[in-house]
Amino acid sequence: DAEITQSPRHKITETGRQVTLACHQTWNHNNMFWYRQDLGHGLRLIHYSYGVQDTNKGEVSDGYSVSRSNTEDLPLTLESAASSQTSVYFCASSDYQGTDTQYFGPGTRLTVL
Amino acid sequence: AQTVTQSQPEMSVQEAETVTLSCTYDTSESDYYLFWYKQPPSRQMILVIRQEAYKQQNATENRFSVNFQKAAKSFSLKISDSQLGDAAMYFCAYKGNTPLVFGKGTRLSVIA
Repeated sequence: DAEITQSPRHKITETGRQVTLACHQTWNHNNMFWYRQDLGHGLRLIHYSYGVQDTNKGEVSDGYSVSRSNTEDLPLTLESAASSQTSVYFCASSDYQGTDTQYFGPGTRLTVL
Repeated sequence: AQTVTQSQPEMSVQEAETVTLSCTYDTSESDYYLFWYKQPPSRQMILVIRQEAYKQQNATENRFSVNFQKAAKSFSLKISDSQLGDAAMYFCAYKGNTPLVFGKGTRLSVIA
């Protein structure tokens, strides 16, 4: 069955370190998204991609970057981790055709000390 | 920019009863999609139901149905015959020409 996976599921890091969160989907979807979830804010969009070599900034993109070198993967990099980036991160994917329904990965809990 | 508002941070329902979760949105677009996602304690985001704005008929999925009022920009979720497994956070989301925009969620408790 097609799926979307994230790794690691839990990560503890220190302020100032570079961190990369992986997202891999086997749906063969063109679109991929990264969100962060914080209490009282719901899910907020960080970056998204509509295809290979395409990346776009979302609502809360400062301090984050992504690159899309193939269809299956969209890694999220925190250039210099800050305590404000402690959150749960979700990756999602969707097909550009039809209803564009997004399917989500299981999430990564990141703690920045 | 589009916004999605869920005015009920928390709700509770007795097992086997019916509950309605509210959602309103603001947009100037005419073509769009609306979604309800469920997030149980496992954190997994699960699609509950989807509505296309061009369809007048309200979507239904087993015990879940929506009341879509396009003119009022309202999209409520009705859960019938509530079960303990329905306890979760529920997020309303809007999809137009930009990526999904989520509301802040409603936490639903089911009382046995």
